[in-house]
Amino acid sequence: DTGVSQDPRHKITKRGQNVTFRCDPISEHNRLYWYRQTLGQGPEFLTYFQNEAQLEKSRLLSDRFSAERPKGSFSTLEIQRTEQGDSAMYLCASSLNRGWGTGELFFGEGSRLTVL
Amino acid sequence: AQSVTQPDIHITVSEGASLELRCNYSYGATPYLFWYVQSPGQGLQLLLKYFSGDTLVQGIKGFEAEFKRSQSSFNLRKPSVHWSDAAEYFCAVGAHNAGNNRKLIWGLGTSLAVNP
Repeated sequence: DTGVSQDPRHKITKRGQNVTFRCDPISEHNRLYWYRQTLGQGPEFLTYFQNEAQLEKSRLLSDRFSAERPKGSFSTLEIQRTEQGDSAMYLCASSLNRGWGTGELFFGEGSRLTVL
Repeated sequence: AQSVTQPDIHITVSEGASLELRCNYSYGATPYLFWYVQSPGQGLQLLLKYFSGDTLVQGIKGFEAEFKRSQSSFNLRKPSVHWSDAAEYFCAVGAHNAGNNRKLIWGLGTSLAVNP
């Protein structure tokens, strides 16, 4: 297993364009999380899935943001009509659905979005 | 409200010197505590975690942390810092929200620089 992978690693786009990020979690992990991180800040929770069900969405996730995990494996995060304030690192993490003792999060290397 | 405070935004130490990074949390129940490290351009990697039992926990890369309930602290330590330890360090507490969904609450991070 190669861990959590994210694609693309870096995306530069013009304001108003749509972008999509993909996350492939560790294969046996049924929980998948999306976080956003800006410079000098800790990760901010966006949303998470248990299998294909989206169980929680942060109020940070405006209606321009949508996340899917159609078959309970990989996930996509789409941002429509990007704004300069969307520029950030988008982190994906996965975990097993167990208690905190074994439910640690494994993170990908992130997808950095730059909106010009 | 649940929160994590890392009082030191930036710390510089000399290689070979000892290190202590501070973390204070606010959480009403028994906390599940984590330290993550993020190297430049990389994802977050779990250093260590505390759930119960021995309040001194050992992690990877020679790090340890001590849980002190009376002080609501979970400080990270290393006896001798290596240049490769230069990175951003994040403390996090595992919590349950109103829907009993698990989530991590993050500190803002401490940036560690190591002088040769």
